[in-house]
Amino acid sequence: EAQVTQNPRYLITVTGKKLTVTCSQNMNHEYMSWYRQDPGLGLRQIYYSMNVEVTDKGDVPEGYKVSRKEKRNFPLILESPSPNQTSLYFCASSLSGTYYEQYFGPGTRLTVT
Amino acid sequence: QKEVEQDPGPLSVPEGAIVSLNCTYSNSAFQYFMWYRQYSRKGPELLMYTYSSGNKEDGRFTAQVDKSSKYISLFIRDSQPSDSATYLCAMWGDTGRRALTFGSGTRLQVQP
Repeated sequence: EAQVTQNPRYLITVTGKKLTVTCSQNMNHEYMSWYRQDPGLGLRQIYYSMNVEVTDKGDVPEGYKVSRKEKRNFPLILESPSPNQTSLYFCASSLSGTYYEQYFGPGTRLTVT
Repeated sequence: QKEVEQDPGPLSVPEGAIVSLNCTYSNSAFQYFMWYRQYSRKGPELLMYTYSSGNKEDGRFTAQVDKSSKYISLFIRDSQPSDSATYLCAMWGDTGRRALTFGSGTRLQVQP
């Protein structure tokens, strides 16, 4: 089954404790992206990757890091989480050239206390 | 001002009603217009997309784009309780950003 998977689905952590949210897709997609979803603000892009070893900032990159060492994986790293990073996070992927047709993962609900 | 505006609702309709969902936008560079459906505790899933202006129909769903007014719509005919979800409009274009630009979503509840 073609899908985007994320782990963990739910995470409660404390301020300053480094964490990684994993994202993996099995559709051989070149493009991958991370979004956060907050009430009233919709989905906002954090980082994206056009292909392996090619990443760039989105609209709200502060406090986040990413890497793209393999085509299928695109982990999101929070080196020192803060309460304002409490949010619902989605990973998405698409073929290059059809960026409008993005496939989303099931989401990771993160709470930072 | 947001690039894409969408009424958050909630919108409550009886089963069988015709539903109209709308978004307005300000950036004329947008060329692709999408509607995503998001069920509670799930990721968004693409319903349909339209390139440039015009209409597109897929079963009970019809998407309309009016680029001259910067206005897009999604119509749902014969609405069903299973259509209850949040509907997100999204746009893509030659804006220099490699990201979908989303509306904030409209929550729809179809009452049986």
